[in-house]
Amino acid sequence: NAGVTQTPKFQVLKTGQSMTLQCAQDMNHEYMSWYRQDPGMGLRLIHYSVGAGITDQGEVPNGYNVSRSTTEDFPLRLLSAAPSQTSVYFCASSYAGQGLADTGELFFGEGSRLTVL
Amino acid sequence: DAKTTQPPSMDCAEGRAANLPCNHSTISGNEYVYWYRQIHSQGPQYIIHGLKNNETNEMASLIITEDRKSSTLILPHATLRDTAVYYCIVRVTYRDDKIIFGKGTRLHILP
Repeated sequence: NAGVTQTPKFQVLKTGQSMTLQCAQDMNHEYMSWYRQDPGMGLRLIHYSVGAGITDQGEVPNGYNVSRSTTEDFPLRLLSAAPSQTSVYFCASSYAGQGLADTGELFFGEGSRLTVL
Repeated sequence: DAKTTQPPSMDCAEGRAANLPCNHSTISGNEYVYWYRQIHSQGPQYIIHGLKNNETNEMASLIITEDRKSSTLILPHATLRDTAVYYCIVRVTYRDDKIIFGKGTRLHILP
């Protein structure tokens, strides 16, 4: 059981470049989200999704785009990278219903460390 | 903004109980309290959650006040491996919730 898988683990970009951080989960979770964590700081919510075809903005959505075409995947796109987007990015997922399997626990990936020069 | 407030840091002697407080004075009746911890730069790890009753599992205990406006995470016998940042959040376990983390409490376990 792979859980939440993020790729790449490390990436260096130049200012103005675009890229996509991939996130996949194999637990059939409806809820998925992206966070960024700057050095010495807590987690800040970028975007989230409660199911395929549904996305919404979090606390810091500017400069990022998401889509949710399948239950399993939730890619995060940086449209034009800026040095301020240098951070560690975490993807998370959980059940969103109230069934017996739903503890509401968030499962996190290992993170993607992005540096923008 | 985060719905919870926590002290930025705490110290605890190894082998003693670590008691981490969290205030959530605006919690709604259908919101659960969750605790996570983050060791170094790894992804946060779930510890425990509860609605209004006290909860215990193999990792920790969660004490929620009767008015539900605050809670305490208890690590009964802290070890050096418990050194981490601990996050307290509130959420409902159904659709349309925006899960906001605060800055958490950095717990230092002293040898």
